[in-house]
Amino acid sequence: EDQVTQSPEALRLQEGESSSLNCSYTVSGLRGLFWYRQDPGKGPEFLFTLYSAGEEKEKERLKATLTKKESFLHITAPKPEDSATYLCAVQGETGGFKTIFGAGTRLFVKA
Amino acid sequence: DADVTQTPRNRITKTGKRIMLECSQTKGHDRMYWYRQDPGLGLRLIYYSFDVKDINKGEISDGYSVSRQAQAKFSLSLESAIPNQTALYFCATSDLVGTEAFFGQGTRLTVV
Repeated sequence: EDQVTQSPEALRLQEGESSSLNCSYTVSGLRGLFWYRQDPGKGPEFLFTLYSAGEEKEKERLKATLTKKESFLHITAPKPEDSATYLCAVQGETGGFKTIFGAGTRLFVKA
Repeated sequence: DADVTQTPRNRITKTGKRIMLECSQTKGHDRMYWYRQDPGLGLRLIYYSFDVKDINKGEISDGYSVSRQAQAKFSLSLESAIPNQTALYFCATSDLVGTEAFFGQGTRLTVV
């Protein structure tokens, strides 16, 4: 069965304090690993898709990496506006390529 | 206008009532999904549809039903609402396999 586990559940950082969020996954036939950002009361917004181990993608202060078992979302010199919940999801071959989400990491960045 | 629109945005209903949540999209995508979000549990898949004639159960389909009226419309029904169905519900669409999903703004449902 496909599974996604994110850690930590919550992360509190000072502005400028770099850190990483973890997404551990098991999936049959990975078709894509996705990172989303979700602000309170809103729908998730797409950040990155990673398809194979070794792949990396960057956007502003965020960098996503992928291994065969984990993905990391690295946040460099975060700002208060980076505060949000970050969701990881995987899409595999099971059940017709449905997408399964992790519980998310709530990030708080203090000025 | 939003690409994925959910109605209503907020709803309070009584136990035992039937309620329908509606989703429409202008993305032109064939794939549509209904998710439920509870604090600490992330997004859990209720039902998904890969085209108008295709409906599939997700992780937590008990107590829910869906209807895909057209490529652009996917409705979620609670036949007899119960308090533990109080949650934030999201509709989403995606294009091809391996591509990202686009989410609506969510429907906050409270069953009292």
